[in-house]
Amino acid sequence: EIVMTQSPATLSVSPGERATLSCRASQSVSNNLAWYQQKPGQAPRLLIYGASTRATGIPARFSGSGSGREFTLTISSLQSEDFAIYYCQQYNTWPYTFGQGTKLEIK
Amino acid sequence: QVTLKESGPALVKPTQTLTLTCTFSGFSLSTARMRVSWIRQPPGKALEWLARIDWDDDKFYSSSLKTRLTISKDTSKNQVVLTMTNMDPVDTATYYCARMGVGWDYFHYWGQGTLVTVSS
Repeated sequence: EIVMTQSPATLSVSPGERATLSCRASQSVSNNLAWYQQKPGQAPRLLIYGASTRATGIPARFSGSGSGREFTLTISSLQSEDFAIYYCQQYNTWPYTFGQGTKLEIK
Repeated sequence: QVTLKESGPALVKPTQTLTLTCTFSGFSLSTARMRVSWIRQPPGKALEWLARIDWDDDKFYSSSLKTRLTISKDTSKNQVVLTMTNMDPVDTATYYCARMGVGWDYFHYWGQGTLVTVSS
C-alpha cells in the first residue's frame, strides 16, 4: 500500500498571502494524484486531479504541480473561504490512499 | 447534475451488521466506466477508502476490511449498498459515497456523508 505523507500538519497563513502544501508518496504515483478541500461538517470537495488539472468550478488561485513522488498544492492569494483541511489522494495503485491532511488556518 | 446521498442507521451496537445505502442521481451505474466508492472518516481523522463497485459489477475492497465488507448495486433504483459486519466502536465514522471520475480513480462527486456511531 502506498503511504501518502502531507506536510506541514498545520499551516498558518494570512489572508491574501500564498500557501504551499506538500504531499509525498512512498513510491511513484506518476501524475495520478488528486487534492481535496474539506470544511468543517462538510464532505470533501475535489480541487485538482491528474496532479495539476483543476476540477470544474475551482478558482484559478488553486494550482497543483509535481509528478512521481512529490506534489504541491499552491493557493496563490488566500481568501477567507480557503481556510480548511486539504487532503491528497493517490489513484495510481490500488488500494487508493489518502494523506493525513494539512489544516490551513488563519494567521 | 450529479447528486449522492447516504442513508442508514445513526447508531449500531457492537457486533451488529451495518447497512448503508447510497442513492444517486444525474448518472447511471449501467453506463460504461461509471464507478461508485465508499469512503469513511472517523471523527477528527483522515479519509479511508473502503470499497468500489463498477458499471460492470466488478467489486474492489480495502485489504484490511475485505472480510467484513460487501458492496452491491441496484441499477434500477440508482442505489449502491454497503454492508459491514461485526461493527466495533473503532468503526465510528462519517461514511461517504462518491462517484468516481469517468475512467479515473479520483472521487469526483461526494455525498454529504452519514455519521454512524457504534456503541452499546
